[in-house]
Formats: sequence, C-alpha cells, structure tokens
Amino acid sequence: GAVVSQHPSWVICKSGTSVKIECRSLDFQATTMFWYRQFPKQSLMLMATSNEGSKATYEQGVEKDKFLINHASLTLSTLTVTSAHPEDSSFYICSARSRRDGDTQYFGPGTRLTVL
Amino acid sequence: DAKTTQPPSMDCAEGRAANLPCNHSTISGNEYVYWYRQIHSQGPQYIIHGLKNNETNEMASLIITEDRKSSTLILPHATLRDTAVYYCIVRTLGQAGTALIFGKGTTLSVSS
Repeated sequence: GAVVSQHPSWVICKSGTSVKIECRSLDFQATTMFWYRQFPKQSLMLMATSNEGSKATYEQGVEKDKFLINHASLTLSTLTVTSAHPEDSSFYICSARSRRDGDTQYFGPGTRLTVL
Repeated sequence: DAKTTQPPSMDCAEGRAANLPCNHSTISGNEYVYWYRQIHSQGPQYIIHGLKNNETNEMASLIITEDRKSSTLILPHATLRDTAVYYCIVRTLGQAGTALIFGKGTTLSVSS
C-alpha cells in the first residue's frame, strides 16, 4: 500500500499560538487529501477536503479561518490551527487518495495536539 | 452513500479466525465495501475492499453476500496485534474525490 506521513507526531502549545501540521504522500501523487480529527473514544470526523491548487472544502461547523488548509503540491498538504485553544486539543489525521490503487484512501499516523 | 451497521464489540482468541460482520442493506449497485482498522492512537489502516466478488489479500478476506446486503471480514489467524477498531464503509464508485465517512466500527479484542 501507499505511505502517508505526518509531522509532527505530537505537539504541545500554549493557548493563542498557531500550529502547522504537514501531511505528505511519500510514494504517490495525491490530487485530493482529507483532514479528520478524532476526540477521545470517538470516531474520526471529517473536517475538510483539500484539492491541489484550489481552496479546501470545509464540512459544516468547521471554521475555515481557524483551520487553514494549503495543498500547494501533489504530495503535500498542511493544516494550520490558528489561535489554538484547549478545546482544539485533539488527534488530527490526514489521508490521501491514490489513483494507482483504485482511488483507495491511505491515512497518515496522526498528530496529537495538546493546547495548554 | 449507504449506511452500515456493525456490532460494537467482539472477542476472539489468539490463533482463531475473527469474523467481523457488516450490514449494508441499502447498498446500491455502484457502491464498494471498504474495510479499515484503527489501532489505538494510530491512523486508520486500509485492509481490503470489494464490489461483489469475494476478495483476499495478505491481511484478510472479504466475503460479500450475493445480494450485497452484508459482508464479512475474515482475519484467518488473529494475533494480539489485530486488536483494533474495525470500520466497514460503503462508498459510491466514481466519487473518489469524496472522503470516507466513519461510523463507530467494531472493537475487536484478541486475547491469548
């Protein structure tokens, strides 16, 4: 299967600061990437769909000005949590669609964000 | 996309086959069945997918009933490392740009 990486794997920051999370498809090009978040003991919740070279599409209830998504290349998408607050603490997971594998979605290992 | 129903939890003894059921009674003809699993504090891992024929790979087998209203994921020889939440997801062919939507899945506990 295809490999997706995320960086950092965990981050702790102070309230009010911004945090950037990177998602890379290592061995394939991904025209579409997705961002999810997961709270403890809950399932993954889709936040946004990111298409290379265009604006991201956000799910209802997700603030686009708070969660900035950039998909500038076919192998990299970034999620920036701006002015983070403790309620933004969560597990953030990206995924990328691989055309060579029948459009299967592959997921990164996740980033644990803790806002103090 | 069609909704899926899975039991919330299952237990399996190490070395035995784990059979995880999934109901998708409203599935339409162009919808695939996907299976993923999530081990604690990791991203979901792709397992297998199929349309109507049974599928097998190095990880598991997928058995889809003839009417396509249900399927079973089979882990032939479960190990402790197979303890995870297993998600059955149905997605329409041709909507590859749309994201997978996760339900609550089945928590599989493998014990020695």
